[in-house]
Amino acid sequence: DSGVTQTPKHLITATGQRVTLRCSPRSGDLSVYWYQQSLDQGLQFLIQYYNGEERAKGNILERFSAQQFPDLHSELNLSSLELGDSALYFCASSAGTGRSYEQYFGPGTRLTVT
Amino acid sequence: GNSVTQMEGPVTLSEEAFLTINCTYTATGYPSLFWYVQYPGEGLQLLLKATKADDKGSNKGFEATYRKETTSFHLEKGSVQVSDSAVYFCALRGGGADGLTFGKGTHLIIQP
Repeated sequence: DSGVTQTPKHLITATGQRVTLRCSPRSGDLSVYWYQQSLDQGLQFLIQYYNGEERAKGNILERFSAQQFPDLHSELNLSSLELGDSALYFCASSAGTGRSYEQYFGPGTRLTVT
Repeated sequence: GNSVTQMEGPVTLSEEAFLTINCTYTATGYPSLFWYVQYPGEGLQLLLKATKADDKGSNKGFEATYRKETTSFHLEKGSVQVSDSAVYFCALRGGGADGLTFGKGTHLIIQP
């Protein structure tokens, strides 16, 4: 158990809909990262927040957005969903932002868009 | 930009065999290097890391050495077990990007 929690575990929705994925980081970690894992694209970094502020953006679509709240939990919002958005979405957390900090991953949310 | 290349497999070995999974990278600056393992239906677990040239990361019998001259971070284990069957990901961080850049993963199957 990494200490990072994600809800829900599974999500099935229809094209065009909007969903929210939730992540709680390890106790004491200030940085949260979101990743997408799909068969064709592999594991891709989406976005990072540090202590409530957006810190870095990766391959995140404009239809996707995220935020980190004062209690440090984070939410990833996916809107106008397409079939190709079906994937595993992972949240990770780390104590700091430097390159040597380890990132600890949650169990993931499996999103299926029908 | 940053990139990681690793053999995709599947790699099938017998129990107690020697394991090597190759990983090479391209990055600007001096990245940190990581190996993660993913068991079926689970998230990624950090296996080991190295943050500078010639560092050796080790954990649970696995080892990898940061080789700057060959831009490599190959994963090795002297004697694999059935329980090591999983997907292994090589990753880097640094060189201007704050997220991890992953390889495509190597599916390892250990037969008794």
